[in-house]
Amino acid sequence: RKEVEQDPGPFNVPEGATVAFNCTYSNSASQSFFWYRQDCRKEPKLLMSVYSSGNEDGRFTAQLNRASQYISLLIRDSKLSDSATYLCVVNFGNTGGFKTIFGAGTRLFVKA
Amino acid sequence: DAMVIQNPRYQVTQFGKPVTLSCSQTLNHNVMYWYQQKSSQAPKLLFHYYDKDFNNEADTPDNFQSRRPNTSFCFLDIRSPGLGDAAMYLCATSRDRTGASTDTQYFGPGTRLTVL
Repeated sequence: RKEVEQDPGPFNVPEGATVAFNCTYSNSASQSFFWYRQDCRKEPKLLMSVYSSGNEDGRFTAQLNRASQYISLLIRDSKLSDSATYLCVVNFGNTGGFKTIFGAGTRLFVKA
Repeated sequence: DAMVIQNPRYQVTQFGKPVTLSCSQTLNHNVMYWYQQKSSQAPKLLFHYYDKDFNNEADTPDNFQSRRPNTSFCFLDIRSPGLGDAAMYLCATSRDRTGASTDTQYFGPGTRLTVL
């Protein structure tokens, strides 16, 4: 089982749609969680951190479920410019070291 | 202003010919990372420096080496590139180790390596 798993998609949605992505992680000691956005042939850029209490940034809402070991990203009122790959990132660490694990990403296409 | 800079943006090398990729940062972050990303795959961490402390991932081939002469610069050396090493190489920085904190990583634009 991969340490971080995402549905690769692609998700094809019309403008204005609401779309949700899930990401599961296997290490229960994982400590911090993020969603990054990566455009084609560009570097990943931080979209938002994910907190246990859930957090919202405009049209984007991220949630963490530690009991079930997954995080989610909800995009409301999709825009054409939201088309990208969304990467789930999980960090965990201890005195022996730490790891940052990226999911393979979920591709989103928003169509007019 | 660019905070993490990578040079060159595109690198073409021949099979077996050593190549060096460069990364610099203006953030004064303690940690610098090198990732390899192949098409439609997740970025794969090769190694990172916490200050001068080098941390290699267990599955990183010996063919990949790194140097960090000072806080601002970090280099990725590929001693004998093979066809399978063609990929995007991403440099990233963070203020502290991200395992036990909410520190995020800031990525450079990447260097796309082609091996002929």
